[in-house]
Amino acid sequence: NAGVTQTPKFQVLKTGQSMTLQCAQDMNHNSMYWYRQDPGMGLRLIYYSASEGTTDKGEVPNGYNVSRLNKREFSLRLESAAPSQTSVYFCASTDRGLNQPQHFGDGTRLSIL
Amino acid sequence: AQSVTQPDIHITVSEGASLELRCNYSYGATPYLFWYVQSPGQGLQLLLKYFSGDTLVQGIKGFEAEFKRSQSSFNLRKPSVHWSDAAEYFCAVLTTSGTYKYIFGTGTRLKVLA
Repeated sequence: NAGVTQTPKFQVLKTGQSMTLQCAQDMNHNSMYWYRQDPGMGLRLIYYSASEGTTDKGEVPNGYNVSRLNKREFSLRLESAAPSQTSVYFCASTDRGLNQPQHFGDGTRLSIL
Repeated sequence: AQSVTQPDIHITVSEGASLELRCNYSYGATPYLFWYVQSPGQGLQLLLKYFSGDTLVQGIKGFEAEFKRSQSSFNLRKPSVHWSDAAEYFCAVLTTSGTYKYIFGTGTRLKVLA
């Protein structure tokens, strides 16, 4: 099983450029999440989608937008990239239920010059 | 506010030694707790979870964790560390007020000496 697939794995952008990070899961999970991981700060939630058709802001949403395209896909868009958005981005999905863990993709390493 | 604290940023142990990684949480309701491991260049992988019942939970790779409500802790342990355990470890709590969200600690990076 592929699980959670993120594309691309690496990307370098210039300040002001736009970019969409793609995420797809094949586990029929209802909830999907986008996190950023920065040294010493753990994972911080950017946006999440509790179910198809809904999205909500997390802890650090500024500068990002998301689209829950269908049950499988949840994309993250940077409209005008800034150096502060240099980070590793992780997508995760979760099945319905309280004791369900998150399943993570392998991450997208994004550098903004 | 809900939070997860991992007080140790780095821990170094010798191969074969025992390991304990600390995790403290702040959450008003019954906590649903998780430990994840992240190898370099990889995503996070679930080690174990606490939902209810027995406060000592077993996970993969020989790890276990003990939930102590009185101390608001969920420490991860392993009796004998292997070199392949070198990684970063994250504790997380699931918040269930409204929609489900996970709060992660800042992680503990484990180094294993041969």
